[in-house]
Amino acid sequence: EAGVVQSPRYKIIEKKQPVAFWCNPISGHNTLYWYLQNLGQGPELLIRYENEEAVDDSQLPKDRFSAERLKGVDSTLKIQPAELGDSAVYLCASSAQHRGQTNTGELFFGEGSRLTVL
Amino acid sequence: QKEVEQNSGPLSVPEGAIASLNCTYSDRGSQSFFWYRQYSGKSPELIMFIYSNGDKEDGRFTAQLNKASQYVSLLIRDSQPSDSATYLCAVNGRYSTLTFGKGTMLLVSP
Repeated sequence: EAGVVQSPRYKIIEKKQPVAFWCNPISGHNTLYWYLQNLGQGPELLIRYENEEAVDDSQLPKDRFSAERLKGVDSTLKIQPAELGDSAVYLCASSAQHRGQTNTGELFFGEGSRLTVL
Repeated sequence: QKEVEQNSGPLSVPEGAIASLNCTYSDRGSQSFFWYRQYSGKSPELIMFIYSNGDKEDGRFTAQLNKASQYVSLLIRDSQPSDSATYLCAVNGRYSTLTFGKGTMLLVSP
């Protein structure tokens, strides 16, 4: 079974440039997450989708970050314009749990997209 | 106040010893608790979860939960160099979204 696929794995851009990350979750997983992970820190949630609906985007900096999950499968996370402080690893994860449902908490993570902003 | 607190370490133990990793959380309404392992440069992977007070054992790993003290721990018996990684504690919160601690780095020396 294919895991969570992310691209690109690495991206280097100049500040103020736009960047986009793509994620393909595990087949059948209705819940998709974007996390940000800085060096030496744990993953921090940016946005959570259940199918097409963003059910938790309270930590997404909406002035420069946007996300979409069309058709409830693949998702794209965009940053425009990028700032130096956006340099981090952007992790996509998926699970088969639903809001309010007791769950195993087993999120399956992709390899991540490492962003460097110069 | 951060919702999930962990000592960043590193925690150094010799091979064969017991490694004890600790985590505290602030939300008394949390119901599910998880330990993820993250090797350097890799993504996190789930190793254990626990819902009820007490101990839960899985092979060399034991998770312990004390909801009254808002405390979760992970014990690794017979530590191996391959256990060297960062261990992330995670707690379910709003909408069952996991909140992660910053992780504890474990170093197991041969």
